[in-house]
Amino acid sequence: KAGVTQTPRYLIKTRGQQVTLSCSPISGHRSVSWYQQTPGQGLQFLFEYFSETQRNKGNFPGRFSGRQFSNSRSEMNVSTLELGDSALYLCASSLSAQRDGLWYFGPGTRLTVT
Amino acid sequence: QKEVEQNSGPLSVPEGAIASLNCTYSDRGSQSFFWYRQYSGKSPELIMFIYSNGDKEDGRFTAQLNKASQYVSLLIRDSQPSDSATYLCAPPWGGGTSYGKLTFGQGTILTVHP
Repeated sequence: KAGVTQTPRYLIKTRGQQVTLSCSPISGHRSVSWYQQTPGQGLQFLFEYFSETQRNKGNFPGRFSGRQFSNSRSEMNVSTLELGDSALYLCASSLSAQRDGLWYFGPGTRLTVT
Repeated sequence: QKEVEQNSGPLSVPEGAIASLNCTYSDRGSQSFFWYRQYSGKSPELIMFIYSNGDKEDGRFTAQLNKASQYVSLLIRDSQPSDSATYLCAPPWGGGTSYGKLTFGQGTILTVHP
């Protein structure tokens, strides 16, 4: 079974631009979460979706948004990019809708903002 | 107090030795724990999960959970150079609406030298 896939893998953007990242979960998984990883802050939770509904959101500004489609694929969008948004963005999926489900990560999208 | 704290590293052990990675957590509601391994430049990989008090063994890995002490550990027996990575512990929930949110520790860098 294929793992979680993320596109694009690498992205370079300029301050002020916006970016959309895509995530395809493992087949059959309906829960998708997004994380930001930076050397200084570690892994920070962005948001989680299940059946097209956002169930949880982390402490990020409103410039960070996401959505999930009926096929469980998910996208996250960052508007008005700042230098501090440079990070590895990770998507994870889970088969279980429960809180203690197992989460599997994709390879990530490395975003560089210049 | 941070929600999840891991023993500070980096941890260096000789090949063949036992590596001991520790994690304490503040949320008494946490019922289970995940251990992830992250190689440099890669995404986290789920290597172990434990849902109940006591020990769980999987190959060279043993996870130990002590809910009363709010402590979880990961032992790696017969450590190999390929085990060199950052190890992250994460309780999957803190009660309430914490769907999909893994609260990661800062990670412990393990180096296994030949």
